[in-house]
Amino acid sequence: AQRVTQPEKLLSVFKGAPVELKCNYSYSGSPELFWYVQYSRQRLQLLLRHISRESIKGFTADLNKGETSFHLKKPFAQEEDSAMYYCALRYTSGTYKYIFGTGTRLKVLA
Amino acid sequence: GAGVSQSPSNKVTEKGKDVELRCDPISGHTALYWYRQSLGQGLEFLIYFQGNSAPDKSGLPSDRFSAERTGGSVSTLTIQRTQQEDSAVYLCASSAYRDTEAFFGQGTRLTVV
Repeated sequence: AQRVTQPEKLLSVFKGAPVELKCNYSYSGSPELFWYVQYSRQRLQLLLRHISRESIKGFTADLNKGETSFHLKKPFAQEEDSAMYYCALRYTSGTYKYIFGTGTRLKVLA
Repeated sequence: GAGVSQSPSNKVTEKGKDVELRCDPISGHTALYWYRQSLGQGLEFLIYFQGNSAPDKSGLPSDRFSAERTGGSVSTLTIQRTQQEDSAVYLCASSAYRDTEAFFGQGTRLTVV
């Protein structure tokens, strides 16, 4: 079955420390992977997508097809990074729906 | 331009009543998605509309749930005979056909009492 797994419900780090939010997926094909973020009292919004290979707000994510992972990383966490992060997989044939992981709440402590 | 708009923002209903949740997607977006967001459950896929194609209804949890999209624009999610376990935030999103970014609405918080 197609699935996105985020093993951590909560991740707390100190400001300036490195951050890694884990995401693993299962998909029979070539998926498109995304990270979405929801800041307090804001809408869910796109943070980055694997096909763009870009760094947004200092975050990067590399698609590792061998390990079926798409972990989100940032070398130095900032307090404003505190939010709920969702890893998502978009189907690429038939339907084009997204499926999301259960999310990881990141808390950056001063 | 305006983003995805959902109404109402909050809805409290009695168990057993029917409710309708509305979504106005971004103009010109051909794809529309409904998700249910529950604490600890993440975003649960409900239904996906793409243009005039048959919708992907594979995520609807029971036959009490249905959705339609009129004229390729506005969508309504209907929950019949609501149950307490239907309490959640219902999110709508839209995207342009060949663009993969989904833009989300602010959600409708449904509380069944």
